[in-house]
Amino acid sequence: GENVEQHPSTLSVQEGDSAVIKCTYSDSASNYFPWYKQELGKRPQLIIDIRSNVGEKKDQRIAVTLNKTAKHFSLHITETQPEDSAVYFCAASSTMNSGYSTLTFGKGTMLLVSP
Amino acid sequence: GAVVSQHPSRVICKSGTSVKIECRSLDFQATTMFWYRQFPKQSLMLMATSNEGSKATYEQGVEKDKFLINHASLTLSTLTVTSAHPEDSSFYICSARDQSGRLGKLFFGSGTQLSVL
Repeated sequence: GENVEQHPSTLSVQEGDSAVIKCTYSDSASNYFPWYKQELGKRPQLIIDIRSNVGEKKDQRIAVTLNKTAKHFSLHITETQPEDSAVYFCAASSTMNSGYSTLTFGKGTMLLVSP
Repeated sequence: GAVVSQHPSRVICKSGTSVKIECRSLDFQATTMFWYRQFPKQSLMLMATSNEGSKATYEQGVEKDKFLINHASLTLSTLTVTSAHPEDSSFYICSARDQSGRLGKLFFGSGTQLSVL
């Protein structure tokens, strides 16, 4: 099955700095890579996603890059703000034989943005 | 975005009782819903895939007789923790896939914090 590794486990930055979180996956058939933000005690929220036919996607301060050859993808947050502090999860989606696709999550990165 | 409603948000029960958690997709139909368990400061661990009109598919190590899943309609899946014990205490989250796209996006419920005394 799919295996997703995520690094770092914690990341502390100063407000205004950039933050980068990296993930690798094992299943070359995976073709959908979402990123979720989860604040303490709340539901994960989809913040950005990328499909395997695209190498980079940007949405305001957030960008995601995908390298299919190397099987890794990264989340980039620029001009970080204290409200960006949360746990971020990457995930990879691979389709099972039944036709249903399931997400495999990374272990998460706790991002702390200090004022 | 699509809305997934999960109830209850918090439940405290005595050991040996059963607890039912509901997951509803409010503005879209979901033939597939997923149930996760999350321990503090850890990732989401998939427990089972709930398929409308058929039996759920459980992940390795998850007891199907312990965690009963029913997906009776295109908008509702339920997880029942039977004969709950303290080790079942955890944060349970459901998600539903919006099938409108070929690779439908996943939306999460707000989670249920289960505490078994």
